[in-house]
Amino acid sequence: AQSVTQLGSHVSVSEGALVLLRCNYSSSVPPYLFWYVQYPNQGLQLLLKYTSAATLVKGINGFEAEFKKSETSFHLTKPSAHMSDAAEYFCASAQAGTALIFGKGTTLSVSS
Amino acid sequence: GAGVSQSPRYKVAKRGQDVALRCDPISGHVSLFWYQQALGQGPEFLTYFQNEAQLDKSGLPSDRFFAERPEGSVSTLKIQRTQQEDSAVYLCASSSPRASVGNTIYFGEGSWLTVV
Repeated sequence: AQSVTQLGSHVSVSEGALVLLRCNYSSSVPPYLFWYVQYPNQGLQLLLKYTSAATLVKGINGFEAEFKKSETSFHLTKPSAHMSDAAEYFCASAQAGTALIFGKGTTLSVSS
Repeated sequence: GAGVSQSPRYKVAKRGQDVALRCDPISGHVSLFWYQQALGQGPEFLTYFQNEAQLDKSGLPSDRFFAERPEGSVSTLKIQRTQQEDSAVYLCASSSPRASVGNTIYFGEGSWLTVV
């Protein structure tokens, strides 16, 4: 069965610093992988997705993620954090014929 | 509509009461999903429809939970005899006409259910 693990339930960075949110997946075959962002009292918004094309995926708001099969990872990065990036971030995976499986989420705090 | 619409946004139910949560997917979207998100947790899959067919209901936590999509568009999630552990945000999502696992899934803002 597939699963997603997000390392660190809470990450704090300073404005302008690098953002790194970690995600590892577990499945027998490489899945499709997604990062979603959730702002307070709002639904989930797709940041980016990996669908077996390029391993480095660029998303909205300056975020990107790299699929590394050898490490079963799909970490999310942004070179320079902005105050507006403070939110909850979810990594998710899916196989053909299955629904999205989400990690428990990482809360990103950005301080000035 | 422009996005996935859910109603009510907020619902307070007394323990034992039945509730119905509605989801209007993006027009033309074939696939529709329901997720349950407890406080401080990630969304957990409940059930999945392709058009009017419920293809997967493995995530429904008990027989008190029932979902339908009779005409392949609007869906209703019904919870009978609500319990306190049912308190959560219920998220609905839909995906583009050519249902495929790689397609983007669009989420609504959720229905916040509190059982007292």
